[in-house]
Amino acid sequence: DGGITQSPKYLFRKEGQNVTLSCEQNLNHDAMYWYRQDPGQGLRLIYYSQIVNDFQKGDIAEGYSVSREKKESFPLTVTSAQKNPTAFYLCASSIGTGWQYFGPGTRLTVT
Amino acid sequence: KQEVTQIPAALSVPEGENLVLNCSFTDSAIYNLQWFRQDPGKGLTSLLLIQSSQREQTSGRLNASLDKSSGRSTLYIAASQPGDSATYLCAVSDNNAGNMLTFGGGTRLMVKP
Repeated sequence: DGGITQSPKYLFRKEGQNVTLSCEQNLNHDAMYWYRQDPGQGLRLIYYSQIVNDFQKGDIAEGYSVSREKKESFPLTVTSAQKNPTAFYLCASSIGTGWQYFGPGTRLTVT
Repeated sequence: KQEVTQIPAALSVPEGENLVLNCSFTDSAIYNLQWFRQDPGKGLTSLLLIQSSQREQTSGRLNASLDKSSGRSTLYIAASQPGDSATYLCAVSDNNAGNMLTFGGGTRLMVKP
């Protein structure tokens, strides 16, 4: 089956620790995206990548880092510099400027 | 900077009603507009995509319209069912921003049996 997978579904970390969220797609899409969703709100863009080995900051990139070494994979690291990391994180992919398809999300809780 | 607003924030209707969800955006220079559905604790499901040159798109009981000049889109749901209960999000892609989406805050819909 084609689609986007995110793991884990739930993640718990202590404050001060870096944590990496996984996003994999087998749709052969060039572009991939990371969004953050806070309770009762829409999504905000963290980072996006239109091609392997290239990525750009979105609206709220501070405290996050990404890599795009393979077309299928776009991991997101939430660093200790992110002041408010507890949120629901969603990964998406698209062919060019077409539909964006979303993964099931990872809920990160930092205490 | 593009801003997207959805009204109402929440809506409760009896089963069978036709309903309209509204989305407005401040910068009319958009590339496309997408409507999504989100169930609690889940990812987003794409419903409809309207290119900037189009006026509307239909899928089953859903119809989305776009008036780019006035910065508005509506999502019309015909003959609503309890299974339609979810949060509906609209998002716009700007001409000069690749395919980055700017999202509205969503409308939380409850359809009562």
